[in-house]
Amino acid sequence: DAGITQSPRHKVTETGTPVTLRCHQTENHRYMYWYRQDPGHGLRLIHYSYGVKDTDKGEVSDGYSVSRSKTEDFLLTLESATSSQTSVYFCAIKQGRTEAFFGQGTRLTVV
Amino acid sequence: GESVGLHLPTLSVQEGDNSIINCAYSNSASDYFIWYKQESGKGPQFIIDIRSNMDKRQGQRVTVLLNKTVKHLSLQIAATQPGDSAVYFCAETLKAAGNKLTFGGGTRVLVKP
Repeated sequence: DAGITQSPRHKVTETGTPVTLRCHQTENHRYMYWYRQDPGHGLRLIHYSYGVKDTDKGEVSDGYSVSRSKTEDFLLTLESATSSQTSVYFCAIKQGRTEAFFGQGTRLTVV
Repeated sequence: GESVGLHLPTLSVQEGDNSIINCAYSNSASDYFIWYKQESGKGPQFIIDIRSNMDKRQGQRVTVLLNKTVKHLSLQIAATQPGDSAVYFCAETLKAAGNKLTFGGGTRVLVKP
């Protein structure tokens, strides 16, 4: 899995609660990404980071925030989870211009 | 691993035949176009990329074709094998947009024995 791990792998949470997903890499890559994957939508970019404390929004960033205080960790936070955020979340690290390595995914269910 | 029950177009292929997967992209300014493969329960995996100034690139059993006139990208898989059964995504990246990797819709390939 190219030195990238996501935690937790599964989570069920209640509407309105905060949730933080963690992505950890051991490859020292500069670029890290958070995607969500839903039926009919494929992979959509939430946020990405191009260095420590350097982050930017993707196409579906509303309701999400991220932080990257060190190279190896990229955290995705749902400040107040909603049912529309039920999804499978993938973290990725990118080597070079095009080759990204993805984690195993986190299945989040908001009830 | 995780998987998503995506409602995708499906390509059924006989084992040993060649497969052609198509993708229409939107941003003609993208620098690179890429194909990813996602097997059930796993994250996407890089297959091959092509720079925007090229029209063809070959890898091991795969060929990517880029037609910029009609904004079309295709992936050809030679002698399709059962292990090729997966969902295939096209993606694009643009340096001016921070090298974000933007994915298009996927195609499910089912290989029949």
